[in-house]
Amino acid sequence: KAGVTQTPRYLIKTRGQQVTLSCSPISGHRSVSWYQQTPGQGLQFLFEYFSETQRNKGNFPGRFSGRQFSNSRSEMNVSTLELGDSALYLCASSLTGDAYNEQFFGPGTRLTVL
Amino acid sequence: SQKIEQNSEALNIQEGKTATLTCNYTNYSPAYLQWYRQDPGRGPVFLLLIRENEKEKRKERLKVTFDTTLKQSLFHITASQPADSATYLCALNPTGTYKYIFGTGTRLKVLA
Repeated sequence: KAGVTQTPRYLIKTRGQQVTLSCSPISGHRSVSWYQQTPGQGLQFLFEYFSETQRNKGNFPGRFSGRQFSNSRSEMNVSTLELGDSALYLCASSLTGDAYNEQFFGPGTRLTVL
Repeated sequence: SQKIEQNSEALNIQEGKTATLTCNYTNYSPAYLQWYRQDPGRGPVFLLLIRENEKEKRKERLKVTFDTTLKQSLFHITASQPADSATYLCALNPTGTYKYIFGTGTRLKVLA
């Protein structure tokens, strides 16, 4: 069974630009969560989607948005990039997103904002 | 405020010894708690899940305990090996939500 895939793996952008990251979950998984990981803040929850609906959102500004498609693939978008948005962005899929489900993480997208 | 805390300093232990990592949380009442391993440049990998009514869970050389009174989980690796060197993260899911809150992780280094 193929794992969670994320594209692109690396991205360099400049301040003010926008970026779209993509995540393909494990086949059959309907929940996709997104996280931002930085050395200072650790792994922080961005949002979770299930059946194309956002069920929970973390404490991030509105510049961070996401969506999920009918095939469970998900994208996240960051508009008006700031230097502080440089981070590893991870997505994770699980069967239903319930607390007893393990999450399977992708390799991440390393975003650098110059 | 709600917090999950893990030892932020690295833990160095000798090969063959038991490593014990701590996860403390405040102002949460999770029904489940999970542990993950993360290697540099990679996404976390799920290791174990323990439920609130379970005191202890084992998987091969790994053991997790969950004390809801102390609001603490301990993660043990017995007979540790250099290949166990990684960052270990605990995570919980606040009741009624679909979001996971992760601790900052503890970096473990097993010395040969």
